[in-house]
Amino acid sequence: SQELEQSPQSLIVQEGKNLTINCTSSKTLYGLYWYKQKYGEGLIFLMMLQKGGEEKSHEKITAKLDEKKQQSSLHITASQPSHAGIYLCGADRTTSGTYKYIFGTGTRLKVLA
Amino acid sequence: DTEVTQTPKHLVMGMTNKKSLKCEQHMGHRAMYWYKQKAKKPPELMFVYSYEKLSINESVPSRFSPECPNSSLLNLHLHALQPEDSALYLCASSRTGRPEAFFGQGTRLTVV
Repeated sequence: SQELEQSPQSLIVQEGKNLTINCTSSKTLYGLYWYKQKYGEGLIFLMMLQKGGEEKSHEKITAKLDEKKQQSSLHITASQPSHAGIYLCGADRTTSGTYKYIFGTGTRLKVLA
Repeated sequence: DTEVTQTPKHLVMGMTNKKSLKCEQHMGHRAMYWYKQKAKKPPELMFVYSYEKLSINESVPSRFSPECPNSSLLNLHLHALQPEDSALYLCASSRTGRPEAFFGQGTRLTVV
């Protein structure tokens, strides 16, 4: 099984609807990142959460980190077709100065106009 | 300049060919990464370079050979690949001590 599991795997919503994507880690989270990827393209960094209870927003996207639950959620308010893509959570697994990032299983979002 | 530039964007190669993927950044980042992404899967880490030294090799077959000639460049040399190596290859960089990574647009590789 994957170290970072995302749910749902895929999501289709009508434009204007709110949605939530979850990311659950099997290990302690010391930092959790959210990226967006358009199909077949590179990843765009959305935001980083480092402390339990931390909440950040970027335009209509809000992410929260629940350190105790080893979980993060990404919430999109009033979704638009431009929000479509693949959302990936990422975790920092850096140890002893060796930098390493891993990714969650991904959530494919489609927004119907 | 907050870009990571990857070339080429697309590459088709035969199983006996030798080719190279190139990644360049001018943000002063000293950590650089290669990821492989198959369709409908998340990126999988292949290699990490830190201060131009290979710090992580995630058990990648030797037909993939990374090279970091200087702090701005990261290459991935390909030789005798298999069709199952066809994927999107993503390069990323980050400042050491800072977690957010910047990704390139990727090279779509097809092995025939």
